[in-house]
Amino acid sequence: GENVEQHPSTLSVQEGDSAVIKCTYSDSASNYFPWYKQELGKGPQLIIDIRSNVGEKKDQRIAVTLNKTAKHFSLHITETQPEDSAVYFCAAYGDGGTSYGKLTFGQGTILTVHP
Amino acid sequence: DSGVTQTPKHLITATGQRVTLRCSPRSGDLSVYWYQQSLDQGLQFLIQYYNGEERAKGNILERFSAQQFPDLHSELNLSSLELGDSALYFCASSAGQGANTGELFFGEGSRLTVL
Repeated sequence: GENVEQHPSTLSVQEGDSAVIKCTYSDSASNYFPWYKQELGKGPQLIIDIRSNVGEKKDQRIAVTLNKTAKHFSLHITETQPEDSAVYFCAAYGDGGTSYGKLTFGQGTILTVHP
Repeated sequence: DSGVTQTPKHLITATGQRVTLRCSPRSGDLSVYWYQQSLDQGLQFLIQYYNGEERAKGNILERFSAQQFPDLHSELNLSSLELGDSALYFCASSAGQGANTGELFFGEGSRLTVL
């Protein structure tokens, strides 16, 4: 099945700096890659996603890049703010083989933005 | 508020017991997903139902079972509970048939503690 590795597990930045979280996936049949943000005491919430036919997608201060050949994708947050502090999860959706129909999440990154 | 309702929010029980977790999806959503979140395992996909039918299955133990009812609410049954089953169990819903068709909306979770 699909295996998603996420790094780093914790990330601490100063307000205004950029933050980058990286994920790799194992199943070349995966074709959809969402990122979720989980705040304390809440369920994860989608912040951005990208499909395999696109290399980059931006939404204000958030961007995601995808390298299908290398099987890795990254989340970039610019001009970080304290309210960006949360746990971020990457995920990969399998469209074939034993991963078919499953959205597999990475282990999560705890992002802390210091004022 | 995601629109997904999970009950109970907290549950404490003993080893060997059986519990049922309940999920009401967002109005109009036909898919329901169950995820287990523990400190060392991240978000683990358990099972997905679409309009009453099982659509995808993850690493769900044989001691666990789920179903989706005609009114689209879902229940996750956990039996012969072990200490290691202590975790946060999330339900999510989406409008489409697959997890790649759009956002998964997560509830706030049911925290299970097995003593």
